[in-house]
Parts: sequence; structure tokens; C-alpha cells
Amino acid sequence: GQQLNQSPQSMFIQEGEDVSMNCTSSSIFNTWLWYKQDPGEGPVLLIALYKAGELTSNGRLTAQFGITRKDSFLNISASIPSDVGIYFCAGQKASGTYKYIFGTGTRLKVLA
Amino acid sequence: DVKVTQSSRYLVKRTGEKVFLECVQDMDHENMFWYRQDPGLGLRLIYFSYDVKMKEKGDIPEGYSVSREKKERFSLILESASTNQTSMYLCASSKGRGNQPQHFGDGTRLSIL
Repeated sequence: GQQLNQSPQSMFIQEGEDVSMNCTSSSIFNTWLWYKQDPGEGPVLLIALYKAGELTSNGRLTAQFGITRKDSFLNISASIPSDVGIYFCAGQKASGTYKYIFGTGTRLKVLA
Repeated sequence: DVKVTQSSRYLVKRTGEKVFLECVQDMDHENMFWYRQDPGLGLRLIYFSYDVKMKEKGDIPEGYSVSREKKERFSLILESASTNQTSMYLCASSKGRGNQPQHFGDGTRLSIL
């Protein structure tokens, strides 16, 4: 099955720094989702995006639906140690099935 | 809040056993999904169901089957467990037929010895 290209694969940052990650595809999507997964837990929904160009925030997290509809971006401002985890993007194609395609994840480690 | 509950967090079984993984959701969602998650491979869809007694194959259905006898419950069955089925299994549910987000359970870490 298709996977989304997510980058970077992993990153180490200092506490207080801003973080950026992105997800790209060769296909057009009509919905983008961002999840966070803590070790040993299931993914938790952070942000959902439904329109090209949409910019949505959830606390220190901001995500954008790319205008080409082939990419999405997640930013975390002023990172804290509890931001550690794996961040996944997921996209649904414009053909409108209820299945999502998932990225391979960005593993974030925050150094205090 | 949506609650998706997987019956076991950790499970150890032997090769050749028939294994049942259970998932229950409490939000009257129409759609339910089973994924497996392996390092470097992300989430891969095994089976999904969009209605009671309905099921569709995902990307990696071989060696698995599913059952959806009630709307709130979706079971994954390993007919004859093998060591390559050692993995983290995640259940998810979503509402309707549009682009509603999927909500996940906490996962079952299954080890086949």
C-alpha cells in the first residue's frame, strides 16, 4: 500500500526550540490529519485539516494544508520535554474513501 | 471523547495458536479498522469494516480474518499465529462515510513465540 513521505525521520532538539516537520505525496488529498503517539500508546489526534491552504492551531501546535493539496506541515513552538514522541501524518485521497494513508512518522526527542 | 478500547495491552501466544484481538468503541461509529505497526513500516491496514457484518481487505490481510457482529465491536483473528505476526496491533474507528478522523485505541503488543 501507499505510504506518505514524512520528514525528517527523527530529530533531536533543545527544549524551547521550534520544530517543523512535513508530509508529502504524489497524490492529491482532501483531508490531512496529524497524530502524536507516545511510547506504548496509540496515536492521538492533534489536528484535522479539510481545505487547501487551511491553517489550524491546537495550543503550541500549528498545522497547514498545502495549497497544492499534496503536502502538509506541522510546527511545534517552544518545545517542552513532553513533546517527545512520534508524530504521524495521515491523508485521505480526493476519491473520498474513508480510508487514510499514513506517513512513516517523525520521531521527536527533546533535550532538556 | 471517543473511547476505543482494546482488550489486551500485551499478549504472548505460541506459533500455531488461534489468536483473538478484540476492540470496542463507544461512539456509535460506523467504521472500524485494524492496523499493524512495525518499526520503519508505519501503520499498515489489515482489514476494515464500514457496517455490521461487512468487511473489506486492507493492504496486508494474509493470515488474518475479522468479525463484526455488533456495531461497537470489531475482532481481529489470527487463524494460525506465526512469528512474523509479532507486532503492535492498533484498532481505530471513525464516523460516517466522509473524511472524519480515525480515533485509535492504545494498541495490543502481540508476541508470537
